[in-house]
Amino acid sequence: DVKVTQSSRYLVKRTGEKVFLECVQDMDHENMFWYRQDPGLGLRLIYFSYDVKMKEKGDIPEGYSVSREKKERFSLILESASTNQTSMYLCASSFEGANGYTFGSGTRLTVV
Amino acid sequence: TQLLEQSPQFLSIQEGENLTVYCNSSSVFSSLQWYRQEPGEGPVLLVTVVTGGEVKKLKRLTFQFGDARKDSSLHITAAQPGDTGLYLCAAGGGADGLTFGKGTHLIIQP
Repeated sequence: DVKVTQSSRYLVKRTGEKVFLECVQDMDHENMFWYRQDPGLGLRLIYFSYDVKMKEKGDIPEGYSVSREKKERFSLILESASTNQTSMYLCASSFEGANGYTFGSGTRLTVV
Repeated sequence: TQLLEQSPQFLSIQEGENLTVYCNSSSVFSSLQWYRQEPGEGPVLLVTVVTGGEVKKLKRLTFQFGDARKDSSLHITAAQPGDTGLYLCAAGGGADGLTFGKGTHLIIQP
């Protein structure tokens, strides 16, 4: 069963910590994405990547960075976590040119 | 970025009733997708529509793409409690990222 796996379902971190969210897909997809989902705001695109070592800013990249050293893995990094980064983080992947995305189950991050 | 407006925002109905939810934009879409998201999970793709006027059926779910490719609807016949969830429409895609509407929260009461 093909899937996107996010390393943690729940995380609690302290303000100022460096946080790593990991995402792995086993479908050989070229494209990978990080979204955050907040009540009343919907899903918003943070960063995406269409190839290894390539990255593009989405709509809300401030406070985040990403790393894609291997095709199957896309990491989201919160350089210095803040309380306004408390959210549900969703990773997704797709084939080049495809419109449909496969999402992971999400990581609910709480920053205290 | 294409702005997608979904309506209604919330909908609670009894099992067995029919319902329709909508996704609208002032922009023309090359394609549009519908996803369903259950609590604590990621969205799951239901359908992609690409042709103006296109109608696709998935069991009791009927998806329609407007002739001008600016709007779409999802109709559910004889709703069941298992249909409960957040229904999201999305446009764009490929390597540039999908833009999502804010969704319709649907509750089907037994």
